[in-house]
Amino acid sequence: ETGVTQTPRHLVMGMTNKKSLKCEQHLGHNAMYWYKQSAKKPLELMFVYNFKEQTENNSVPSRFSPECPNSSHLFLHLHTLQPEDSALYLCASSQAGGIYEQYFGPGTRLTVT
Amino acid sequence: GIQVEQSPPDLILQEGANSTLRCNFSDSVNNLQWFHQNPWGQLINLFYIPSGTKQNGRLSATTVATERYSLLYISSSQTTDSGVYFCAPTKGAGSYQLTFGKGTKLSVIP
Repeated sequence: ETGVTQTPRHLVMGMTNKKSLKCEQHLGHNAMYWYKQSAKKPLELMFVYNFKEQTENNSVPSRFSPECPNSSHLFLHLHTLQPEDSALYLCASSQAGGIYEQYFGPGTRLTVT
Repeated sequence: GIQVEQSPPDLILQEGANSTLRCNFSDSVNNLQWFHQNPWGQLINLFYIPSGTKQNGRLSATTVATERYSLLYISSSQTTDSGVYFCAPTKGAGSYQLTFGKGTKLSVIP
Protein backbone atom coordinates (compact mmCIF):
# COMPACT_ATOMS: atom_id res chain seq x y z
CA GLU A 1 0.00 0.00 0.00
CA THR A 2 1.67 3.19 -1.21
CA GLY A 3 -1.06 5.69 -0.31
CA VAL A 4 -2.07 6.11 -3.96
CA THR A 5 -5.20 4.35 -5.20
CA GLN A 6 -6.50 3.91 -8.72
CA THR A 7 -9.86 2.80 -10.08
CA PRO A 8 -10.81 0.81 -11.96
CA ARG A 9 -8.00 -1.72 -11.86
CA HIS A 10 -9.05 -3.23 -15.19
CA LEU A 11 -10.97 -1.66 -18.04
CA VAL A 12 -12.05 -2.94 -21.43
CA MET A 13 -13.50 -0.38 -23.78
CA GLY A 14 -14.42 -0.06 -27.40
CA MET A 15 -12.91 2.55 -29.66
CA THR A 16 -16.06 4.70 -29.58
CA ASN A 17 -16.53 4.62 -25.81
CA LYS A 18 -15.83 7.36 -23.29
CA LYS A 19 -14.40 6.32 -19.95
CA SER A 20 -12.44 7.86 -17.09
CA LEU A 21 -9.63 6.65 -14.89
CA LYS A 22 -9.45 7.91 -11.33
CA CYS A 23 -6.49 8.39 -9.03
CA GLU A 24 -6.51 9.48 -5.40
CA GLN A 25 -3.57 10.08 -3.10
CA HIS A 26 -3.70 10.08 0.69
CA LEU A 27 -0.17 11.37 1.27
CA GLY A 28 -0.75 15.11 1.40
CA HIS A 29 1.24 15.61 -1.78
CA ASN A 30 0.91 18.51 -4.19
CA ALA A 31 2.07 17.00 -7.48
CA MET A 32 0.37 14.22 -9.42
CA TYR A 33 1.39 12.38 -12.57
CA TRP A 34 0.03 10.06 -15.25
CA TYR A 35 2.38 7.50 -16.80
CA LYS A 36 1.79 4.96 -19.56
CA GLN A 37 3.47 1.57 -19.63
CA SER A 38 3.13 -0.31 -22.91
CA ALA A 39 4.44 -3.78 -23.58
CA LYS A 40 8.17 -3.74 -24.27
CA LYS A 41 8.49 0.03 -23.85
CA PRO A 42 9.79 2.05 -20.91
CA LEU A 43 7.34 3.91 -18.74
CA GLU A 44 6.43 7.21 -20.37
CA LEU A 45 5.35 10.34 -18.54
CA MET A 46 2.09 11.71 -19.93
CA PHE A 47 1.00 14.61 -17.73
CA VAL A 48 2.12 16.43 -14.59
CA TYR A 49 0.00 18.57 -12.29
CA ASN A 50 1.64 20.69 -9.62
CA PHE A 51 -0.70 22.42 -7.16
CA LYS A 52 -3.61 21.61 -9.53
CA GLU A 53 -1.92 23.31 -12.48
CA GLN A 54 -0.81 21.27 -15.49
CA THR A 55 2.90 21.78 -15.87
CA GLU A 56 3.82 19.12 -18.41
CA ASN A 57 2.11 17.48 -21.35
CA ASN A 58 4.47 15.17 -23.16
CA SER A 59 2.89 15.45 -26.62
CA VAL A 60 -0.02 13.25 -25.61
CA PRO A 61 -2.86 12.89 -28.18
CA SER A 62 -5.99 14.85 -27.41
CA ARG A 63 -8.02 11.67 -27.01
CA PHE A 64 -6.45 11.62 -23.53
CA SER A 65 -7.74 14.48 -21.39
CA PRO A 66 -6.49 14.94 -17.81
CA GLU A 67 -8.32 16.71 -15.02
CA CYS A 68 -7.05 17.65 -11.57
CA PRO A 69 -9.84 19.19 -9.45
CA ASN A 70 -7.68 19.30 -6.30
CA SER A 71 -4.28 18.13 -5.11
CA SER A 72 -5.64 14.74 -3.98
CA HIS A 73 -7.49 13.67 -7.12
CA LEU A 74 -6.48 13.15 -10.71
CA PHE A 75 -8.56 11.88 -13.60
CA LEU A 76 -7.74 10.73 -17.10
CA HIS A 77 -10.67 11.01 -19.48
CA LEU A 78 -10.51 8.67 -22.46
CA HIS A 79 -12.33 9.18 -25.74
CA THR A 80 -12.14 7.39 -29.11
CA LEU A 81 -9.04 5.44 -28.21
CA GLN A 82 -7.10 3.20 -30.54
CA PRO A 83 -6.05 -0.43 -29.93
CA GLU A 84 -2.43 0.76 -29.56
CA ASP A 85 -3.53 2.72 -26.49
CA SER A 86 -3.94 -0.54 -24.63
CA ALA A 87 -1.47 -0.35 -21.77
CA LEU A 88 -1.02 -0.08 -18.01
CA TYR A 89 -1.78 3.46 -16.87
CA LEU A 90 -0.04 4.45 -13.67
CA CYS A 91 -0.71 7.40 -11.43
CA ALA A 92 1.93 8.82 -9.10
CA SER A 93 2.24 11.62 -6.60
CA SER A 94 5.04 13.51 -4.89
CA GLN A 95 5.41 16.24 -2.33
CA ALA A 96 5.96 18.69 -5.16
CA GLY A 97 7.43 18.40 -8.58
CA GLY A 98 11.08 17.85 -9.34
CA ILE A 99 13.42 16.42 -6.75
CA TYR A 100 10.88 14.74 -4.51
CA GLU A 101 10.27 11.02 -4.36
CA GLN A 102 7.33 9.78 -6.45
CA TYR A 103 4.89 7.16 -5.16
CA PHE A 104 2.86 5.06 -7.58
CA GLY A 105 -0.61 3.60 -7.55
CA PRO A 106 -1.35 0.01 -8.61
CA GLY A 107 -2.33 1.02 -12.13
CA THR A 108 -5.29 0.53 -14.44
CA ARG A 109 -4.83 -2.11 -17.11
CA LEU A 110 -6.67 -0.80 -20.16
CA THR A 111 -7.64 -2.87 -23.17
CA VAL A 112 -9.10 -1.12 -26.21
CA THR A 113 -11.03 -3.42 -28.52
CA GLY B 1 16.60 13.89 -22.52
CA ILE B 2 18.56 11.52 -20.35
CA GLN B 3 19.41 8.10 -21.76
CA VAL B 4 19.13 5.29 -19.22
CA GLU B 5 20.62 1.85 -19.70
CA GLN B 6 20.05 -0.99 -17.28
CA SER B 7 21.94 -4.25 -17.16
CA PRO B 8 21.50 -7.11 -17.29
CA PRO B 9 18.09 -7.12 -19.02
CA ASP B 10 17.26 -10.53 -17.57
CA LEU B 11 18.64 -12.36 -14.55
CA ILE B 12 17.82 -15.76 -13.10
CA LEU B 13 19.01 -16.50 -9.58
CA GLN B 14 18.86 -19.42 -7.25
CA GLU B 15 17.23 -18.51 -3.97
CA GLY B 16 19.87 -17.30 -1.54
CA ALA B 17 22.20 -15.91 -4.20
CA ASN B 18 23.40 -12.32 -4.37
CA SER B 19 23.19 -9.99 -7.37
CA THR B 20 24.13 -6.54 -8.60
CA LEU B 21 21.97 -4.56 -11.01
CA ARG B 22 23.47 -1.62 -12.86
CA CYS B 23 22.00 1.63 -14.16
CA ASN B 24 24.01 3.94 -16.40
CA PHE B 25 22.72 7.37 -17.33
CA SER B 26 23.94 9.81 -19.93
CA ASP B 27 23.83 13.12 -18.08
CA SER B 28 24.08 14.67 -14.65
CA VAL B 29 21.05 14.09 -12.48
CA ASN B 30 19.63 15.60 -9.31
CA ASN B 31 17.37 12.71 -8.35
CA LEU B 32 17.38 8.96 -8.89
CA GLN B 33 14.90 6.37 -7.72
CA TRP B 34 14.95 2.58 -7.80
CA PHE B 35 11.65 0.72 -8.07
CA HIS B 36 10.53 -2.88 -7.97
CA GLN B 37 7.52 -3.71 -10.14
CA ASN B 38 5.74 -6.82 -8.96
CA PRO B 39 3.95 -9.24 -11.30
CA TRP B 40 0.68 -7.33 -10.81
CA GLY B 41 2.19 -4.06 -12.04
CA GLN B 42 2.61 -2.23 -8.73
CA LEU B 43 5.73 -0.10 -8.55
CA ILE B 44 7.26 -0.18 -5.10
CA ASN B 45 9.76 2.47 -4.04
CA LEU B 46 13.07 0.96 -3.05
CA PHE B 47 15.45 3.89 -2.82
CA TYR B 48 15.59 7.60 -3.41
CA ILE B 49 19.33 8.00 -3.96
CA PRO B 50 20.72 10.90 -5.99
CA SER B 51 24.16 10.16 -4.53
CA GLY B 52 25.89 8.02 -1.92
CA THR B 53 24.91 4.68 -0.46
CA LYS B 54 21.76 3.53 1.33
CA GLN B 55 20.77 0.21 2.82
CA ASN B 56 17.37 -1.28 3.57
CA GLY B 57 17.47 -4.82 4.86
CA ARG B 58 18.81 -7.14 2.17
CA LEU B 59 18.87 -4.35 -0.38
CA SER B 60 21.36 -1.57 -0.80
CA ALA B 61 22.02 1.01 -3.46
CA THR B 62 24.92 3.20 -4.46
CA THR B 63 24.86 6.15 -6.84
CA VAL B 64 28.07 7.70 -8.13
CA ALA B 65 26.66 10.78 -9.80
CA THR B 66 30.00 12.04 -11.08
CA GLU B 67 30.48 8.78 -13.00
CA ARG B 68 26.83 8.55 -14.02
CA TYR B 69 25.85 5.19 -12.65
CA SER B 70 23.89 3.58 -9.88
CA LEU B 71 23.99 0.04 -8.51
CA LEU B 72 21.36 -1.99 -6.70
CA TYR B 73 22.57 -4.91 -4.58
CA ILE B 74 20.28 -7.73 -3.60
CA SER B 75 21.64 -10.17 -1.05
CA SER B 76 20.25 -13.56 -0.02
CA SER B 77 17.59 -13.33 -2.73
CA GLN B 78 14.10 -14.68 -2.12
CA THR B 79 11.38 -15.72 -4.54
CA THR B 80 9.42 -12.62 -3.55
CA ASP B 81 12.23 -10.52 -5.04
CA SER B 82 11.13 -11.62 -8.51
CA GLY B 83 9.84 -8.90 -10.79
CA VAL B 84 11.27 -6.01 -12.76
CA TYR B 85 13.65 -3.49 -11.26
CA PHE B 86 13.71 0.02 -12.69
CA CYS B 87 16.00 2.93 -12.12
CA ALA B 88 14.64 6.38 -12.90
CA PRO B 89 16.74 9.50 -12.76
CA THR B 90 15.55 13.09 -13.06
CA LYS B 91 17.62 15.75 -14.72
CA GLY B 92 17.51 19.35 -13.65
CA ALA B 93 16.25 21.08 -10.54
CA GLY B 94 12.95 22.08 -12.15
CA SER B 95 12.25 18.85 -13.99
CA TYR B 96 9.36 16.66 -12.93
CA GLN B 97 10.14 13.86 -15.30
CA LEU B 98 11.51 10.54 -14.10
CA THR B 99 13.16 8.85 -17.08
CA PHE B 100 12.78 5.10 -16.77
CA GLY B 101 15.16 2.50 -18.09
CA LYS B 102 13.88 -0.70 -19.69
CA GLY B 103 14.41 -2.51 -16.43
CA THR B 104 16.05 -5.71 -15.25
CA LYS B 105 13.71 -8.69 -15.06
CA LEU B 106 14.71 -10.83 -12.09
CA SER B 107 13.50 -14.37 -11.56
CA VAL B 108 14.43 -16.05 -8.30
CA ILE B 109 13.89 -19.80 -8.34
CA PRO B 110 13.63 -22.05 -5.28
